[in-house]
Amino acid sequence: AQSVTQLGSHVSVSEGALVLLRCNYSSSVPPYLFWYVQYPNQGLQLLLKYTSAATLVKGINGFEAEFKKSETSFHLTKPSAHMSDAAEYFCAVSDRGADTGRRALTFGSGTRLQVQP
Amino acid sequence: ETGVTQTPRHLVMGMTNKKSLKCEQHLGHNAMYWYKQSAKKPLELMFVYSLEERVENNSVPSRFSPECPNSSHLFLHLHTLQPEDSALYLCASSQLGTFGETQYFGPGTRLLVL
Repeated sequence: AQSVTQLGSHVSVSEGALVLLRCNYSSSVPPYLFWYVQYPNQGLQLLLKYTSAATLVKGINGFEAEFKKSETSFHLTKPSAHMSDAAEYFCAVSDRGADTGRRALTFGSGTRLQVQP
Repeated sequence: ETGVTQTPRHLVMGMTNKKSLKCEQHLGHNAMYWYKQSAKKPLELMFVYSLEERVENNSVPSRFSPECPNSSHLFLHLHTLQPEDSALYLCASSQLGTFGETQYFGPGTRLLVL
């Protein structure tokens, strides 16, 4: 079974500061990994995904994440936070080798990012 | 319309009511999903439909009844719900078998059961 752990349910940074949101996963096979963002009263929007090509993945809005197999991590970073980045962020894993039903995403519990002016 | 749409966006219902949530995807995908997002709990997969056939029912109570009449539409029929069923219900779709298969989500239906 696969699982995702997001360390820190709330993260607060100052505008212009580095954003680091942590995600660790467990999976018996090489996974697909995703970061989604959810703004208030909206659905989930894909930020970026890892599919086994480059280990450093660039996404939208200046975000990127690095896949580290040895650490089973897929942390999300952004060099300089903007007020509009305030939202909830979800890390998710899917088992690329599984049957259709099992390929559904397993989500972490989410990290709420606050950006202080 | 583009992407994944859901209606209604908000729904208030009593425990004896029957209502339905609708999801429509405009992406040409062949798999659709229902997720439940409750406060203080991770997103939970409820149902998966692949090529209009249900392939996953994640121990969901029978008061939730999904229906997938074609590859573009997905419904969630609700009856005799409980207050603890109040949550955001999210629909998603994906194209099976694609490399890096990605799920795309709708905006959700915020459900309140009184």
